[in-house]
Amino acid sequence: EAGVAQSPRYKIIEKRQSVAFWCNPISGHATLYWYQQILGQGPKLLIQFQNNGVVDDSQLPKDRFSAERLKGVDSTLKIQPAKLEDSAVYLCASSAGTGAGNTIYFGEGSWLTVV
Amino acid sequence: DQQVKQNSPSLSVQEGRISILNCDYTNSMFDYFLWYKKYPAEGPTFLISISSIKDKNEDGRFTVFLNKSAKHLSLHIVPSQPGDSAVYFCAAGFSGSARQLTFGSGTQLTVLP
Repeated sequence: EAGVAQSPRYKIIEKRQSVAFWCNPISGHATLYWYQQILGQGPKLLIQFQNNGVVDDSQLPKDRFSAERLKGVDSTLKIQPAKLEDSAVYLCASSAGTGAGNTIYFGEGSWLTVV
Repeated sequence: DQQVKQNSPSLSVQEGRISILNCDYTNSMFDYFLWYKKYPAEGPTFLISISSIKDKNEDGRFTVFLNKSAKHLSLHIVPSQPGDSAVYFCAAGFSGSARQLTFGSGTQLTVLP
C-alpha cells in the first residue's frame, strides 16, 4: 500500500516569497492533516480536512497560510509571504476516519528553509 | 501552553538494556495516548497506543504504561536495540471526537552497541 506522498522534499526561499506544498494521502483516507514541526518541537496541527471540508483550522495563521483539498483527495498548503519563523518541516498525514482512535499516517515531510 | 510534555530531550541506553521514555500531560480530558517514532528525514510512524480505560498495553518489545492519577505515561522498550535509536513523540487526544492529537516535543533515544 502506498504511503502519504509529499513534494517537494526540500525548499529554500527568501522571506516574503511564496511556496506551495503538495500532498497525496493514502488511498481511501477521508481525513487529511497538515502539521508544522519546528526543530526541537513536536508536530503542531495546522489544518484538518474531512473529505474536502475543513474540520479544524484554528491554528492556521490565515493571514499568510492557506490550504485546500478541492476534490477530497490531494491537498496543497501555501505560504505567502513567508517569514523566517516559517522554517520548519511541513508534514502531511492522513487517516481513515476522525478521532484519536484512527491511526494517523505521516508522509516524509517537506523541509522549508526561509532565509 | 504545553499540554503534553516530554521533559527529557535525550536518553542513551546500552544495547540489551531497558529504555524508559516518559511523558506528562495536563489535560485530564485526554483519553487516548500514542507513541510515534521518527527517524531522521522521515515522517513519524505509529508505534503503540493506549486508551484511558487501560493502564498497560504491550506489543512485542514495547509496553506503554498509563497512570491517570499522575497524568503520566511511559514507554518501555525491552531489550533495546541499536535500530531503536530515533526520536520518540508521545501524543494525546480524544477518542470520541474529531479533535486531533497534541504532541510532545520528543525524546531522542540513542541505543549504544
